[in-house]
Amino acid sequence: DVVMTQSPLSLPVALGQPASMSCRSSQGLVFSNGITYLNWFQQRPGQSPRRLIYKVSNRDSGVPDRFSGSGSGTNFTLKISRVEAEDVGVYYCMQGTHWPPYTFGQGTKLEIK
Amino acid sequence: VLLVESGGDLVQPGGSLTLSCVASGFTFTSYFMTWVRLAPGKGLEWVASVNRDGSEAYYVDSVRGRFTISRDNSKNSLYLQMNSLRADDTAVYYCARGDCCGSGELDNWGQGVLVTVSS
Repeated sequence: DVVMTQSPLSLPVALGQPASMSCRSSQGLVFSNGITYLNWFQQRPGQSPRRLIYKVSNRDSGVPDRFSGSGSGTNFTLKISRVEAEDVGVYYCMQGTHWPPYTFGQGTKLEIK
Repeated sequence: VLLVESGGDLVQPGGSLTLSCVASGFTFTSYFMTWVRLAPGKGLEWVASVNRDGSEAYYVDSVRGRFTISRDNSKNSLYLQMNSLRADDTAVYYCARGDCCGSGELDNWGQGVLVTVSS
């Protein structure tokens, strides 16, 4: 199984400041069709998960453009250009390339400093 | 797109439970469907997925042989039959819409339903 490792596990950030979190996979995530199936999800307190980013860098509809995804191979990053109060929650990466199983990272908990 | 789960409950260890998820707002038969859970103090865990016509099902090792995912396309419904429940199955269970082909593109999620396994 592909192991997804996120860091840091806790990320205190001041309002208006940038935030960056990392996701590393135990093997490359490029599928045979050339597509990398790496997603980022946000789970706010008391809410269901919401997908933010798919295929490494594609933002979902309605996701603010302060969120961006990047990376390749085994190293991926989610960045928030200016953190807002509504961004508090846990962020998960998930790979869909080598399945079953789909595997999630442990999550990065973003809080306001 | 709307996904509404039901069926969560308190159940004793060794017991059984069936979760349901009713889908609306999209062509149900065009999408893989998936169950994901969030246990207390843990992260998200993929549980099971089923292909578009229900002919193929996939499971995480920890539930294989105990859980059965199925769908009724005539009712736009997804199910998770859970048997031999254990304390570590306690979690909020979410149904999620995949894509056509099983690449893990979980783009819409339900509100979740709580399953508690305890005596």
